[in-house]
Amino acid sequence: DVKVTQSSRYLVKRTGEKVFLECVQDMDHENMFWYRQDPGLGLRLIYFSYDVKMKEKGDIPEGYSVSREKKERFSLILESASTNQTSMYLCASSFQGGGSPDTQYFGPGTRLTVL
Amino acid sequence: SQQGEEDPQALSIQEGENATMNCSYKTSINNLQWYRQNSGRGLVHLILIRSNEREKHSGRLRVTLDTSKKSSSLLITASRAADTASYFCATKIIFGKGTRLHILP
Repeated sequence: DVKVTQSSRYLVKRTGEKVFLECVQDMDHENMFWYRQDPGLGLRLIYFSYDVKMKEKGDIPEGYSVSREKKERFSLILESASTNQTSMYLCASSFQGGGSPDTQYFGPGTRLTVL
Repeated sequence: SQQGEEDPQALSIQEGENATMNCSYKTSINNLQWYRQNSGRGLVHLILIRSNEREKHSGRLRVTLDTSKKSSSLLITASRAADTASYFCATKIIFGKGTRLHILP
């Protein structure tokens, strides 16, 4: 079974803290994604990666950075957390080859609260 | 940028009835996908329909695609309480805002 795990289900941080959200997939997928989900706004793409050490900005990259040192792991970093980054963060991965390359597999989400 | 836009935003129906959700998108696509999200959880892939397909079935799910109108619909037949969730359409990595479906007992 496909599995995407995220390091925390719930996280509470203070304004100005550096925050790391970790995502690990066990499917040998090339593509990995970070979204945030807010009421009324749906899913918005923050960053994605098509390969190790490769990253691409999504629609809302400001205030975030990412790291992909290993194929199975994609980290989202909030350099200095702010209250407007309180949100649900969803990680996903997908296979780059034939078949259904666009089908994404999601982790359970991390609900981050910044106080 | 929002590629897929679902309609309606929210839908409440009685158990046993059929639920229909619609999705519109803006650019040309290779395929379109529908996902389900239970409250507070990640999204789960339901079905993919390719641009050269007009209709696809999976169990109680029926998806249609009209590339000339850049629209798709998801029909859930004989709804159950467990179908209560949010449903999203997606084209590649762009997701819509979702339809919240509530099945009333």
